[in-house]
Amino acid sequence: EDQVTQSPEALRLQEGESSSLNCSYTVSGLRGLFWYRQDPGKGPEFLFTLYSAGEEKEKERLKATLTKKESFLHITAPKPEDSATYLCAVGNTGRRALTFGSGTRLQVQP
Amino acid sequence: DVKVTQSSRYLVKRTGEKVFLECVQDMDHENMFWYRQDPGLGLRLIYFSYDVKMKEKGDIPEGYSVSREKKERFSLILESASTNQTSMYLCASRALTGSGYTFGSGTRLTVV
Repeated sequence: EDQVTQSPEALRLQEGESSSLNCSYTVSGLRGLFWYRQDPGKGPEFLFTLYSAGEEKEKERLKATLTKKESFLHITAPKPEDSATYLCAVGNTGRRALTFGSGTRLQVQP
Repeated sequence: DVKVTQSSRYLVKRTGEKVFLECVQDMDHENMFWYRQDPGLGLRLIYFSYDVKMKEKGDIPEGYSVSREKKERFSLILESASTNQTSMYLCASRALTGSGYTFGSGTRLTVV
């Protein structure tokens, strides 16, 4: 059974204080690791897909990295508008559906 | 801009009612999914469909059914709503098994 564990559950940062969110996973055949951002009361919004260990993707203040057991979402010099819940999910070569973690709720204070 | 549209943002229904949640996508995607999202439990898969009239149970199908009569539309049905089905319901679609989802905005359902 695929498992995705995200840590921490919640993170409070000061504006400009860089940090990382962790996504640990176990999957029988990885077919993509996905990061989403979700604002309160809205559906998740796609950020990145990573397919193989060593791959990195960047978008503005966010950078996602992947190893064989975990992924990190690095947030550099965050701003209050980066406050959201960040979800991680894995795809499995034998399944059509993604398996999601419970998310990390990020709050960036001015 | 490609879209997944859920028909209602907020719904309040009474216990025992039959409830229909509708989802439409305009991307010609084969795969469509229904999840519910609850605090501390994350997203849990209810049902999914990989083609018209084809469906498979997810991890928590009890109390739910689905219908996919047209490729663009995937409906979630609560046969007899109960208070433990109060939740945020998210619809998603996906073109290929290697690609990510596009989500709708969600339906916040309250059963009283």
